[in-house]
Amino acid sequence: EADIYQTPRYLVIGTGKKITLECSQTMGHDKMYWYQQDPGMELHLIHYSYGVNSTEKGDLSSESTVSRIRTEHFPLTLESARPSHTSQYLCASSESRGRLTEAFFGQGTRLTVV
Amino acid sequence: AQSVTQPDIHITVSEGASLELRCNYSYGATPYLFWYVQSPGQGLQLLLKYFSGDTLVQGIKGFEAEFKRSQSSFNLRKPSVHWSDAAEYFCAVGGGGATNKLIFGTGTLLAVQP
Repeated sequence: EADIYQTPRYLVIGTGKKITLECSQTMGHDKMYWYQQDPGMELHLIHYSYGVNSTEKGDLSSESTVSRIRTEHFPLTLESARPSHTSQYLCASSESRGRLTEAFFGQGTRLTVV
Repeated sequence: AQSVTQPDIHITVSEGASLELRCNYSYGATPYLFWYVQSPGQGLQLLLKYFSGDTLVQGIKGFEAEFKRSQSSFNLRKPSVHWSDAAEYFCAVGGGGATNKLIFGTGTLLAVQP
């Protein structure tokens, strides 16, 4: 069983509010990721991190920001939420080895901006 | 460009029937291939993965997949579907490297009829 947790699971918030989506993993993985998933669409990588103090933009441009101050924690922040940010956000982590390893996913946060 | 195509958006099968979900990929180097399953409101769970070696890989829940390099395919199969298999299935490809990024297909939604 993967030990990666996201909170909140569901969030409805008004336009202009600042929000932070939490993601924590207890597996000691160096690499962490944020994906955005719209209904019926594929997952798009929006942020990733190699380790502490390392963050990079993903393939899909996003107005969100991330930080990685601790290995186990990779929060995502939207300074001013807009309806266009309504989506599901999935956090994942993987081991740092020489070859590709599978990513373990959290249960996701479904964000609705009204 | 790297990409994953899942041609079937939605498939319905009867319980007990066999299942095959298609996945085609485009990747410049040796691909690492994955199948994930997502139940409603949940994160993604890894079903199986292919890194190298035997082209027929076994996964959890009775699923298997076959890597066919000549066809750039990695189709998922199950000989007898159970009602609990109803979910969305995602194929993903990755190339390893420092980022360990995965590229996902758009998913196939599986419905199971009693």
